[in-house]
Amino acid sequence: DGGITQSPKYLFRKEGQNVTLSCEQNLNHDAMYWYRQDPGQGLRLIYYSQIVNDFQKGDIAEGYSVSREKKESFPLTVTSAQKNPTAFYLCASSIRQGGQPQHFGDGTRLSIL
Amino acid sequence: EDKVVQSPLSLVVHEGDTVTLNCSYEVTNFRSLLWYKQEKKAPTFLFMLTSSGIEKKSGRLSSILDKKELFSILNITATQTGDSAIYLCAVAGYGGATNKLIFGTGTLLAVQP
Repeated sequence: DGGITQSPKYLFRKEGQNVTLSCEQNLNHDAMYWYRQDPGQGLRLIYYSQIVNDFQKGDIAEGYSVSREKKESFPLTVTSAQKNPTAFYLCASSIRQGGQPQHFGDGTRLSIL
Repeated sequence: EDKVVQSPLSLVVHEGDTVTLNCSYEVTNFRSLLWYKQEKKAPTFLFMLTSSGIEKKSGRLSSILDKKELFSILNITATQTGDSAIYLCAVAGYGGATNKLIFGTGTLLAVQP
């Protein structure tokens, strides 16, 4: 079945550590996105990518980095510079940039030890 | 600043009740409005609305858009416990670098037996 796979489901980070969240899609979509979801707030865009080897900052990119070396993969690294990383992270894709709807993965919940 | 506001923030009903969820928006260069259902993990796509006054329907769920008054409603009739979820409204606009989705904070619906 086509879809978006995020791993791991749960992740714990010690302060000062970088961690990488995986996102893989087999929908043959060009565009991919990373969102952060906090209680009481809507989804906020971290980074997005329209095509391989291209990505752009979203609204809250500070403390995060991404890469897009393959069409299927869009990993997100949460760096030690992100001061409040505890959140639910959602990866999404769409057939092209701006195309709707976006389809979402099951998310990764990141917590700080 | 673009924004999407959902109401109520939360709602508790009994099985069989009918509920109406609201979404108002102020978004530059409106393109489409989307509704998602989020249970414990991935938001799943429900509807995409682009034209005023045309109801979209899927089973017990229906939605309509009013582009003049800048709002949408999501109706759920004969609610079931499986309808318990967060319902997210998002608006896509044209222009800018992202053509991104702007999300509301969601409405938490709890359906009691």
